[in-house]
Parts: sequence; C-alpha cells; structure tokens
Amino acid sequence: AQTVTQSQPEMSVQEAETVTLSCTYDTSESDYYLFWYKQPPSRQMILVIRQEAYKQQNATENRFSVNFQKAAKSFSLKISDSQLGDAAMYFCAYLDTSGSRLTFGEGTQLTVNP
Amino acid sequence: ETGVTQTPRHLVMGMTNKKSLKCEQHLGHNAMYWYKQSAKKPLELMFVYNFKEQTENNSVPSRFSPECPNSSHLFLHLHTLQPEDSALYLCASEKGDYSGNTIYFGEGSWLTVV
Repeated sequence: AQTVTQSQPEMSVQEAETVTLSCTYDTSESDYYLFWYKQPPSRQMILVIRQEAYKQQNATENRFSVNFQKAAKSFSLKISDSQLGDAAMYFCAYLDTSGSRLTFGEGTQLTVNP
Repeated sequence: ETGVTQTPRHLVMGMTNKKSLKCEQHLGHNAMYWYKQSAKKPLELMFVYNFKEQTENNSVPSRFSPECPNSSHLFLHLHTLQPEDSALYLCASEKGDYSGNTIYFGEGSWLTVV
C-alpha cells in the first residue's frame, strides 16, 4: 500500500521569505500523480500544485514550486515570497494511475509571521 | 468555490438519530468520494463512486450508508453513530476517467455526535 509521510507537523516563516515543506512517499508504481493541497481555517481543501511522475520537469504555479525527486521518492513544496494568506495546513497527496485512491500525508501546519 | 457543495455545513446528532449528509457537484464529473477528517489524523477515504457505481468501500462500518442516485449527487446516511464518528466529512469529485485528474473538494460537513 502507498504511504505518504510529512515529517514536519508545524513550520513557520516570515512574511516575504521562502519556506520548503517536505514530503516523502512509498510506492512500487512507476507512474502516478502527486499533489499539494492547502486547507485554510475555512477547511476548504484547495489544490496548490500537481505533478505527473512521468514528467521530469518540476511543476510551478506562481510562487509555488516543487522539487520532485523520483528516485528518492521525495516531493517538497517551496513557497516563495510568503504571504499572510498562505497560512494553512498543507497536505501532500499521492494518486495512483487507477485514479480512485488519493492518499494523504498527515499535514504540515504553516504559520506566516508578519 | 470549487463546484462541490455540501449540506449541511454543521450537524449535531444524538447516537440514536438518523440523518444524512448531501453533496452535489456542478462540474460534470463522474466520480465522487467521501473522506473523513478527524483531529490529528490524515484524511481517510471512505467510499468511491464512479458512474453511480460504488467502486471502493474502505472497510467503513455499516452505520455509514452511502447513496449515489446520479453522477452529480452523493449522500451519506448516518444512523446509530458513536461519539468517535465526530469529524469533518469531505465530499470530492473528479472526472472519473482514471487519468490522474485533480480531485475537487467541498467545504465539508462538521458532524458532532452527542
């Protein structure tokens, strides 16, 4: 079974600084998808970024980028120029190619300090 | 607004009550999901429906009974629940074509069992 591990329960960053959230996963598959979701206090799960395992290029979305290391099974999220609105719980998630089971990590609570 | 709407947003019920959670998606998706989010635990997949057929039941107790009358609606019928069932219940949907599409979540239904 696939597992997703986020080893940082809490992280903090100063406004305008950069922070990196870690995620590792375990799978025997060669083709899969990885996601970072953000859950603010409203509890709405919002997609931040998506990576397809067969693509070597790291995904980027504005201030958000990932460092995808397939051999190491690592998928970290970098947030640049952090803003107060970035404060939330961030979840790393894995989706296999059958597409029916999205497996989440435990989450990392990010605090942004003004 | 992700196109996935859940009602009610908050529900308090006694252990002998029968209630239902409703989810509706306006995205033209064919797959719908129920997830449970408890404090200090990763999101747990409960049920998956694809084209109205249940494709996954993640060993969920029978006191939770899902219903998917069509691809746009998903219900979770609740009866004789336990206090430990108190949690945030998240509905989600995606295209359902097993191509690693993004899963979109509703805002969740907070359930408290007293």
